[in-house]
Amino acid sequence: AQTVTQSQPEMSVQEAETVTLSCTYDTSESNYYLFWYKQPPSRQMILVIRQEAYKQQNATENRFSVNFQKAAKSFSLKISDSQLGDTAMYFCASDSMQAGGTSYGKLTFGQGTILTVHP
Amino acid sequence: ETGVTQSPTHLIKTRGQQVTLRCSSQSGHNTVSWYQQALGQGPQFIFQYYREEENGRGNFPPRFSGLQFPNYSSELNVNALELDDSALYLCASSLVGGADTEAFFGQGTRLTVV
Repeated sequence: AQTVTQSQPEMSVQEAETVTLSCTYDTSESNYYLFWYKQPPSRQMILVIRQEAYKQQNATENRFSVNFQKAAKSFSLKISDSQLGDTAMYFCASDSMQAGGTSYGKLTFGQGTILTVHP
Repeated sequence: ETGVTQSPTHLIKTRGQQVTLRCSSQSGHNTVSWYQQALGQGPQFIFQYYREEENGRGNFPPRFSGLQFPNYSSELNVNALELDDSALYLCASSLVGGADTEAFFGQGTRLTVV
């Protein structure tokens, strides 16, 4: 079984500044994926970034990067140069990895962090 | 926007009734997963359908059931609705066994049970 915990119910940041969202997880799997999803008021869940647990290098996607600490089971999301459009609920999630290296598509989500970007 | 569509977008039902929610998957995807998202919470995995068969279930009672059709679209059925079933129901399609592991979500169906 997997568990994901997000301990920050709400965060706020000024436009153009940097913010870090925290996530811890627990899993008995040796191979797994970690994800950050964004859910704006439109309700559409959008993938922000993903990390394969076997990769030591932290994933980056433009302004988004992660700090993956496997031993500590920590997976934080850093958003640089925050934009008004980043305002959304952010979810950390995990999934097991199949033998072929793909995700099972059975995600375990955290409780979410509401991020508000102020002008 | 993704190619995953859900219908209806909103629904109001009475306690004890039955409801069917629908999801059409992204073109080329063979798997649909359903999630229940209570207000202010993270989504919880209900079950997954792969090649028309249930392929894993979360901690949900049997009154939550589903189907997947040959075109990989899917239905979620909930019998004997309870007030606590009020939630946003999300479906996500993915290609299990393929090179790309990303799951694409629909916009959800908001179910209110009164």
